[in-house]
Amino acid sequence: ETGVTQTPRHLVMGMTNKKSLKCEQHLGHNAMYWYKQSAKKPLELMFVYSLEERVENNSVPSRFSPECPNSSHLFLHLHTLQPEDSALYLCASSQDKRGTGDSTNIQYFGAGTRLSVL
Amino acid sequence: RKEVEQDPGPFNVPEGATVAFNCTYSNSASQSFFWYRQDCRKEPKLLMSVYSSGNEDGRFTAQLNRASQYISLLIRDSKLSDSATYLCVVRVYGSQGNLIFGKGTKLSVKP
Repeated sequence: ETGVTQTPRHLVMGMTNKKSLKCEQHLGHNAMYWYKQSAKKPLELMFVYSLEERVENNSVPSRFSPECPNSSHLFLHLHTLQPEDSALYLCASSQDKRGTGDSTNIQYFGAGTRLSVL
Repeated sequence: RKEVEQDPGPFNVPEGATVAFNCTYSNSASQSFFWYRQDCRKEPKLLMSVYSSGNEDGRFTAQLNRASQYISLLIRDSKLSDSATYLCVVRVYGSQGNLIFGKGTKLSVKP
C-alpha cells in the first residue's frame, strides 16, 4: 500500500453520465494531483492542489471538475465525457513547501481508476 | 521536441544481464530527476532519485549529465521481478512541483 487510496478501481460510464473519482491520502501530505495516463502516452498532469487551493490547471476540458475539500481528499467529477477520455486516472500526493507550492519531496501515487467511456 | 524522451523498448534480456536505459530532457531549467517503475496495470512507484554526482542503490545505478541533459539507469544482474516499465521523470524549477514524465522504457527479463 502506498498510502494513497483511489476508488473506484474500475469505472464504465456512458457519455451522458455523471460520476466522481475519489482519492484519499494517509501520508499527511499537503499537495494532491490528478494525472491522466492514456495508452502509448506519458502521464499528463491535469490538476494540482497545494494547501487545498488549486495552483495549476493544465488546460483540462471543463467536463473534468476537481474538488479538494481538505488536504487528505481529492475528487474528480466527470460529466458528458467523450470516448477519448477513456484512460487510467491517477491521483498522487506530496509534501510541498508551505506557501510556495514548490514540491521538495516525492510524489506517491494511488493505484488509479481505469475509466472506460462508452 | 518532446520534453522527456525515452526509448520505448521493449528491452528483452536474460536473467543476470546488465541493461542500461537512457533518457534526455529538453528543459535546461530542469531541477530534479527521478526514475519511477510502473508494473503492468499498476501505479508508478519511485525507484530512485537521480543526483548530480550519480547514485547507486543495490543493483541500480543512476547517472545525470546536466551538460548533455541526459539521465541514465543501469540495472546489474537483472531479475525476473525487474520486468516493468521504467519512467524517466523530471521536475522543472518553479513548476509548482509538477513532474514531467517520459513515456517509459519497457523491460522484460526472461529466464
